[in-house]
Amino acid sequence: IAGITQAPTSQILAAGRRMTLRCTQDMRHNAMYWYRQDLGLGLRLIHYSNTAGTTGKGEVPDGYSVSRANTDDFPLTLASAVPSQTSVYFCASSDGAESSYNSPLHFGNGTRLTVT
Amino acid sequence: QQQVKQSPQSLIVQKGGISIINCAYENTAFDYFPWYQQFPGKGPALLIAIRPDVSEKKEGRFTISFNKSAKQFSLHIMDSQPGDSATYFCAASTGGFKTIFGAGTRLFVKA
Repeated sequence: IAGITQAPTSQILAAGRRMTLRCTQDMRHNAMYWYRQDLGLGLRLIHYSNTAGTTGKGEVPDGYSVSRANTDDFPLTLASAVPSQTSVYFCASSDGAESSYNSPLHFGNGTRLTVT
Repeated sequence: QQQVKQSPQSLIVQKGGISIINCAYENTAFDYFPWYQQFPGKGPALLIAIRPDVSEKKEGRFTISFNKSAKQFSLHIMDSQPGDSATYFCAASTGGFKTIFGAGTRLFVKA
């Protein structure tokens, strides 16, 4: 089934450790995104990529970095995790460079990250 | 700074009843208003969406009502079913990385 695969599904991480969340899509979508979901705050954009080789900062980028070496993969790295980064992380993609009426966001099933 | 305000935070509805979730936005540049449905352990999935040039869109039991002058839009779920129990997010967008989500509404439909 076509879609977005995220790994791991959950992780407990000690503060100060480095962690990479993986995201792969097989829909050949141009744009990819990383969101974090926190209760009462909805989904907030961390970083995005309109096409392979380009990335941009979202609403809450501090402490995170991304790369987009090819169309399918969009890993998210926490260089030195802190407890405030405890959250559920969702990777998403959309067909066009910008989401439109005909190009909604497609989400993976998330990575639940706990930083202790 | 939240530009899309969603209410209520949680909602309990009897089976067969109408569920209503409201959202308000500030930025008049938004031109795409989707609703996403999320089940536990899953990612959000597009449920229904509307553009600001129409006042209502209906798909099955789900209807979006849109009031451009008031900068408000709402989701109505008719004949609510236990299977509709999920978290619902409204959103407003001018493009993919410019999508702003509401805080979410947890809906529970009692059998």
